Amino acid sequence: DIQMTQSPSSLSASVGDRVTITCRASHYIDTSLNWYQQKPGKPPKVLIYTASTLQDGVPSRFSGSGSGTHFTLTITSLQPEDFATYYCQQSYSVRSFGGGTKVEV
Amino acid sequence: EVQLLESGGGLVQPGGSLRLSCAASGFSFATYAMSWVRQAPRQGLEWVSGLSDTGAGTYYADSVKGRFTVSRDNSKNTLFLQLNSLRIEDTAVYYCVKESRDYFHSRGYLESWGQGTLVTVSS
Repeated sequence: DIQMTQSPSSLSASVGDRVTITCRASHYIDTSLNWYQQKPGKPPKVLIYTASTLQDGVPSRFSGSGSGTHFTLTITSLQPEDFATYYCQQSYSVRSFGGGTKVEV
Repeated sequence: EVQLLESGGGLVQPGGSLRLSCAASGFSFATYAMSWVRQAPRQGLEWVSGLSDTGAGTYYADSVKGRFTVSRDNSKNTLFLQLNSLRIEDTAVYYCVKESRDYFHSRGYLESWGQGTLVTVSS
């Protein structure tokens, strides 16, 4: 099984900040890495797939990078609607998620 | 518009069974792989199970292997998850999710999500 580790588990930020979240895979996963955003009481929604491709309708302030075992999600100029929990997920071997990163004020 | 409507959740005793259903609409159900993802109260996401467009390929997390069974009825645009030998730690909201491809491709992702159905395992 492939284990996904996110860091940090939570972070405090302000509107306008640049935020970076890291995700590491226990084994090589090429670029089979996706990022999701979840707000309280709602299902997750996909932001980025295959490590760096922005899903339709997602603002360009979100970006993803990485390959192999190390990945990052970056939010440039954090907006009020971006306070949420973010999850990475690998698709290289079935599916599994990271533990999540809560972005709060 | 993709719509996924889960049903079948509820309160069940440890060792009991439940069958979850997911009614899909707004897309060609028979041409997409599907997954179930769960989220325990105040916890993160856990992928549980999935299957290919035809149902020929089925996949399970180790935590549910041998207890849960995923299936689909493409004639009725419906996904199922049979939950047997339930444990307290199976308590969670269960989401029905449309995959982005027809099979469990390494470039696939979890494209569309239902609102979830709550399963509570308690005595």
